[in-house]
Amino acid sequence: DAGVIQSPRHEVTEMGQEVTLRCKPISGHDYLFWYRQTMMRGLELLIYFNNNVPIDDSGMPEDRFSAKMPNASFSTLKIQPSEPRDSAVYFCASRNSGRGGDTQYFGPGTRLTVL
Amino acid sequence: QKEVEQNSGPLSVPEGAIASLNCTYSDRGSQSFFWYRQYSGKSPELIMSIYSNGDKEDGRFTAQLNKASQYVSLLIRDSQPSDSATYLCAVAPLHSGYALNFGKGTSLLVTP
Repeated sequence: DAGVIQSPRHEVTEMGQEVTLRCKPISGHDYLFWYRQTMMRGLELLIYFNNNVPIDDSGMPEDRFSAKMPNASFSTLKIQPSEPRDSAVYFCASRNSGRGGDTQYFGPGTRLTVL
Repeated sequence: QKEVEQNSGPLSVPEGAIASLNCTYSDRGSQSFFWYRQYSGKSPELIMSIYSNGDKEDGRFTAQLNKASQYVSLLIRDSQPSDSATYLCAVAPLHSGYALNFGKGTSLLVTP
């Protein structure tokens, strides 16, 4: 199994630009989570999906952030317009509830730098 | 805000000693508790989960849960330099789909 795949691994952009982060969950996993990690705030949940449906987006910081999951094998997190305070590592994670599993498997993360 | 609190450390222990990591949480409705290990520049990986009061052992790791005190701990026996990492405590509220609230982590350094 390839694990959770995220792209790009690194992104450097200028303030005001649109940024799109991508995630491919592990095949067969029905939950997908987006987290953000900074030194100041630690690892924070942004949004999660169950069977491609957004369940809780209360962690999304503001309207500049949006997430979609058009199918079971792909999700995007978009920031428009980006700001320097959005600089962080963004992790995607997935989980298979069908096996009664509680384990979330994290992708390698996307390190975003907004100048 | 549902808080998960950890001492940021660093916690330094000599090789072969027991490392004790602690975590408190504020949401009494929390049902599931996890310890993740994160090496610098890497993603978190699950090392232990615990759901009931008491101890749960897995190899050199023991997780302890006390729901009345809202307290979770992780003991690492026979600590090795390869255990040097940041340990994240995570808590899942009931009916959250295991969406996790993380503490900021405790940095552990095991010295040879």
